[in-house]
Amino acid sequence: GIQVEQSPPDLILQEGANSTLRCNFSDSVNNLQWFHQNPWGQLINLFYIPSRTKQNGRLSATTVATERYSLLYISSSQTTDSGVYFCAVDRGSNYQLIWGAGTKLIIKP
Amino acid sequence: NAGVTQTPKFQVLKTGQSMTLQCAQDMNHNSMYWYRQDPGMGLRLIYYSASEGTTDKGEVPNGYNVSRLNKREFSLRLESAAPSQTSVYFCASRIHSNQPQHFGDGTRLSIL
Repeated sequence: GIQVEQSPPDLILQEGANSTLRCNFSDSVNNLQWFHQNPWGQLINLFYIPSRTKQNGRLSATTVATERYSLLYISSSQTTDSGVYFCAVDRGSNYQLIWGAGTKLIIKP
Repeated sequence: NAGVTQTPKFQVLKTGQSMTLQCAQDMNHNSMYWYRQDPGMGLRLIYYSASEGTTDKGEVPNGYNVSRLNKREFSLRLESAAPSQTSVYFCASRIHSNQPQHFGDGTRLSIL
């Protein structure tokens, strides 16, 4: 089945820094989603981005489907950005999302 | 607009007890999903329902059953709980396969 790998596994930054999180996937996909899991465990939809680039405030994401990767950019990090960032993909045929192991981000004040 | 609502939020069971986790969505979505998340991992699919009246196994279905009661509700049942089923359970829904999945807040289940 399709494999999803995220890097780095852990990232510690000072408030105000910028970061780039990467998601590689092993086969073509129909859908790709980025999520933020906050310290309370809630999963928050960030982007639905099977291809191209989207921006939402300080966050943006780019998916290059032909090269099988997606990048999540966080600019001017805030402590509230702390948590685990997941990417998840599906190929459309059986409707399920395949998840990476996540990047744990800690933003220090 | 509640989105996806899961009940209960927390539960502690003894080994061998049974329990049903409830999920309801008010977005008129066709597909619904049950996932589990173990510590330090991403989510794994237990069962899904592509549309009302259908259910299918996911990656880790053993020890679970599901019921798609109607378009809004999708329940997950543990018939005889085991400590290995201690996890956080998430329900999700989406309108069709080319749209994002939306998640509930999770049910934290501990089995002693």
